[in-house]
Amino acid sequence: AQSVTQPDIHITVSEGASLELRCNYSYGATPYLFWYVQSPGQGLQLLLKYFSGDTLVQGIKGFEAEFKRSQSSFNLRKPSVHWSDAAEYFCAVGAGGNKLVFGAGTILRVKS
Amino acid sequence: NAGVTQTPKFQVLKTGQSMTLQCAQDMNHNSMYWYRQDPGMGLRLIYYSASEGTTDKGEVPNGYNVSRLNKREFSLRLESAAPSQTSVYFCASIITGAIGEKLFFGSGTQLSVL
Repeated sequence: AQSVTQPDIHITVSEGASLELRCNYSYGATPYLFWYVQSPGQGLQLLLKYFSGDTLVQGIKGFEAEFKRSQSSFNLRKPSVHWSDAAEYFCAVGAGGNKLVFGAGTILRVKS
Repeated sequence: NAGVTQTPKFQVLKTGQSMTLQCAQDMNHNSMYWYRQDPGMGLRLIYYSASEGTTDKGEVPNGYNVSRLNKREFSLRLESAAPSQTSVYFCASIITGAIGEKLFFGSGTQLSVL
């Protein structure tokens, strides 16, 4: 069965610092991987996705993620965090029937 | 263009009461989903509808029923609410349901069962 692990429940970074959110997945075949962001009181918004090809994918709002098959990871990165990036971030893997399996989420806090 | 609209945004129920969460999308999407979000557990799929007239169970279907009324609307019903169903519920839709497509989410329904 597919599963997604986000090891960090909370992360706090200073504004302007770099960010890396970790995601590890378990999936038997080639994975379809996603990062979604949820601002307080809002639904989820897609940041980026990986299907195949270049293992470094660019998303919206300056985010990128790198797929590493050998490590079963799909970590999200941003070179310089802005206060508006404070939100909860979810990694997800595409399961059969297009049912996404989500990780538990990582809450990002940004210090000014 | 409203996207995915959920009603109500907030609801408080007593144990044993019933209610229906409504979801409608105006993007002509074929597939629709109901997720619940609980702290530390991410989003878990309750039911989904790959196309009009079909529904299937997801990861946590017990205690829920769904109806795909037409292509636009996908409702979630709690027949006899339990405190364990206190959660935030999200409806989502996708154009065709082909893997890798972007899910469009509603803004959520916060449900408390006392």
